[in-house]
Amino acid sequence: EPEVTQTPSHQVTQMGQEVILRCVPISNHLYFYWYRQILGQKVEFLVSFYNNEISEKSEIFDDQFSVERPDGSNFTLKIRSTKLEDSAMYFCASSDLVELAKNIQYFGAGTRLSVL
Amino acid sequence: LAKTTQPISMDSYEGQEVNITCSHNNIATNDYITWYQQFPSQGPRFIIQGYKTKVTNEVASLFIPADRKSSTLSLPRVSLSDTAVYYCLVGPNNNDMRFGAGTRLTVKP
Repeated sequence: EPEVTQTPSHQVTQMGQEVILRCVPISNHLYFYWYRQILGQKVEFLVSFYNNEISEKSEIFDDQFSVERPDGSNFTLKIRSTKLEDSAMYFCASSDLVELAKNIQYFGAGTRLSVL
Repeated sequence: LAKTTQPISMDSYEGQEVNITCSHNNIATNDYITWYQQFPSQGPRFIIQGYKTKVTNEVASLFIPADRKSSTLSLPRVSLSDTAVYYCLVGPNNNDMRFGAGTRLTVKP
C-alpha cells in the first residue's frame, strides 16, 4: 500500500538554527500538507500546497516557515530560526482531488522536532 | 465549516463493541463525514468515511441517520491495540482540514 514517508523521524536542534523536514508524498497525489502537534495537544493545520504554490496557511505559518517541492517527489518544510515553542511532531499529508473532496488525506508517521 | 462535538474520552474492555457518537448539527448538503484514528506518536490514519446510512469496512462501521446531524463510529470487539484518539471531521474542507480534540478511547484488559 502506498504511503507518505517522512525523514528524519527525530530531529534535535539548537534554538535559532534552521531545520528542514522532508516528506515524500504518495506518488500520484497533487495536494500536500503540513500539520504539527505539540505534545498532548490537537493536530494543527499549518499549510497546504498545490500546483507549486501555497493554497492556504494558518496563523501559525508565519515568516519563519516555508515549504518547497524541490523535485518531483519531495515536499519540504523549512523553519528558518527555530524557537523552543517549535518543538512538536510535524506531520506531512497528501491527497488527490477525489479523496480531498471527501476529507481524506494520508499522513506520514511524523518527524519529532526537539528544539533545545 | 461544520462544527463537530464528540466525547473527550471513553473507556472500554477487550472484546466489547464501542460506539463513538459525533454531533454535527450544521452539516451542509455536500459534506462528507470522515473518521480518523491516531495512535501515540503517529500520524492520523483515515479509517472510514460516509455520506448517509451505513458504511462498513474491515476496521469499523459508520452509522449516519437520515438527518445527518450526527454519526456513530462503531468498533466491533475492540482489543488493546484499538486504544487511540478518534477524530470526527465533516467537510470537504479542501485545503484547510481542522482537527478537534477527538475522543480518547482506552481499552482495558
